[in-house]
Amino acid sequence: DQQVKQNSPSLSVQEGRISILNCDYTNSMFDYFLWYKKYPAEGPTFLISISSIKDKNEDGRFTVFLNKSAKHLSLHIVPSQPGDSAVYFCAADVNAGGTSYGKLTFGQGTILTVHP
Amino acid sequence: EAEVAQSPRYKITEKSQAVAFWCDPISGHATLYWYRQILGQGPELLVQFQDESVVDDSQLPKDRFSAERLKGVDSTLKIQPAELGDSAMYLCASSLLLEGADTQYFGPGTRLTVL
Repeated sequence: DQQVKQNSPSLSVQEGRISILNCDYTNSMFDYFLWYKKYPAEGPTFLISISSIKDKNEDGRFTVFLNKSAKHLSLHIVPSQPGDSAVYFCAADVNAGGTSYGKLTFGQGTILTVHP
Repeated sequence: EAEVAQSPRYKITEKSQAVAFWCDPISGHATLYWYRQILGQGPELLVQFQDESVVDDSQLPKDRFSAERLKGVDSTLKIQPAELGDSAMYLCASSLLLEGADTQYFGPGTRLTVL
């Protein structure tokens, strides 16, 4: 049973446009969410996170939106750049009252390609 | 910038052989994680250490996998004997704290191919 799902295996976007990557989860205990970016032959790199007490978190070109009722989160990249081409993983954690279990559950990943 | 170190980067072995992977976390990071990533899937946690103690190894196939972090710093993950289905990327990550939502920093991984 996959508790975190990224239903789009790939996404292709033109440089300068918006990239929207989606993620759905089923476990209602998840209350902390992260996005990681992974280039080939490298480990995942932390990008941005959001706690369930918020519905939006922004960091430069990256914004994560959380819809708790729909158990859905999305990552927006504006404007998209060719260097953003990578695999993007969403991950979820149980951070009960500030005590994180640290056991991240990852989605399958979405390959983003940004064309010049 | 401090990084998580892993070695080797690539390992090719034959079925039934023993393999070992090494991880050196970011200095001062108390929590260390080993993940396995099969091609086309996300990383899956195998084992989690807090200092030298195992916090969670519920997903570690203990009949063939073992992990240790004897002095609470670097860590070794061993597979004996290796099976074809063990071919995957093995990722090590570390974080500063167990409590509180804390970012995990990943190493470059070890790509294992079992023939």
